[in-house]
Amino acid sequence: QSVLTQPPSASGTPGQRATISCSGSSSNIGTLSVNWYQQLPGTAPKLVIYNNNQRPSGVPDRFSGSKSGTSASLAISGLQSEDEADYYCASWDDSLKGWVFGGGTKLTVL
Amino acid sequence: QVQLVESGGALVKPGGSLRLSCAASGFTFSDYYMSWIRQAPGKGLEWLSYISSSFGSTDYADSVEGRFIISRDNAKNSVFLQMNSLRAEDTAVYYCARYMVAPTGPYFDYWGQGTLVTVSS
Repeated sequence: QSVLTQPPSASGTPGQRATISCSGSSSNIGTLSVNWYQQLPGTAPKLVIYNNNQRPSGVPDRFSGSKSGTSASLAISGLQSEDEADYYCASWDDSLKGWVFGGGTKLTVL
Repeated sequence: QVQLVESGGALVKPGGSLRLSCAASGFTFSDYYMSWIRQAPGKGLEWLSYISSSFGSTDYADSVEGRFIISRDNAKNSVFLQMNSLRAEDTAVYYCARYMVAPTGPYFDYWGQGTLVTVSS
């Protein structure tokens, strides 16, 4: 059972917008920033959103992040086949004194 | 460009020990915190430990506290994870990651390709 809760799967067709949610608590998302990682099959995770809504250099502006209260969301617009991957949210937890990750969401581009 | 290359993964018996290494390049290693994160087969990500840049202060997840030790050698641009008293549930791909401690919030910005540790008799 992960501290941060994500739906196990999400899907969309090419060109559509997909959204992945991440639910936490006051000890993590509620007071601290959220980061999102993309893990393509057989590869290492890659940072796609940091500090709730910031995109690292090289990440397409199709990727966006938001946070409200104890929840966060990752949105991917103009879906492409290469976006098919597992996505993880992460935040520091002040009660556990450690990093916590969501269980991951498998995004399928139909 | 930033590169992180892990090594040292192997098949080890329960109760055994293993030392993982992560060689960094493409940035001023001594300026950055570093971290280890693992992923069990078919499972999600689990943070294990971090080490600060200069003074080497450390922190661990409860699951590995007392069994794993993180260290670094800034002269060799390397970070290590000494793993003792290994259990079957420690079987995973182990990633090292650069840990950005920014005023707006921390994050892991670069990850290595991972090294596989299998604990089995």
